[in-house]
Amino acid sequence: DTAVSQTPKYLVTQMGNDKSIKCEQNLGHDTMYWYKQDSKKFLKIMFSYNNKELIINETVPNRFSPKSPDKAHLNLHINSLELGDSAVYFCASSQLKGTDLYEQYFGPGTRLTVT
Amino acid sequence: AQSVTQPDIHITVSEGASLELRCNYSYGATPYLFWYVQSPGQGLQLLLKYFSGDTLVQGIKGFEAEFKRSQSSFNLRKPSVHWSDAAEYFCAVGPDYKLSFGAGTTVTVRA
Repeated sequence: DTAVSQTPKYLVTQMGNDKSIKCEQNLGHDTMYWYKQDSKKFLKIMFSYNNKELIINETVPNRFSPKSPDKAHLNLHINSLELGDSAVYFCASSQLKGTDLYEQYFGPGTRLTVT
Repeated sequence: AQSVTQPDIHITVSEGASLELRCNYSYGATPYLFWYVQSPGQGLQLLLKYFSGDTLVQGIKGFEAEFKRSQSSFNLRKPSVHWSDAAEYFCAVGPDYKLSFGAGTTVTVRA
């Protein structure tokens, strides 16, 4: 059973397009995250939702909009894609309870390439 | 603000040899510290964690790490490396549940 899954695994698109990445977790966690890993493998948090409520919103262009329809799903929609958006996007989840919060389970990543 | 430095970008080690990966953190109070591993094409997997107590922590896959407050370090060790340990290793620091990750260390294992 896959704990945190993401679709698609690879996404190649042209500048200016709009695309979405989906994430689902079956761990029963109440908190989910989106991270961006750049070409130098630097990992930076973008957003976090707890029970469908946005709790972390880092300095990210407003072309990026997360949506959490329920606590098991967190999607990322990106408008007007730019070359600099090319990266690997990771979804993660954890339980917002004491130190469990920090034990984050990551999905396999979505490699986005913008041409 | 918290931050993490991993001084070694790339380490090559022979199979069966010992491995040590360095991690230095910056945080004003007692940090929460983590090591994650990322195998090629995979997501990150938690290897071990430190919250408090015993400064030597054991993790999965035979890894251990030692918290040294005086040196602001949390180095990862494995006594005997297997070829499957070739991966990217990330150190991370909390609290403030926005974990801050280091830039990673790539480990290559040669036969």
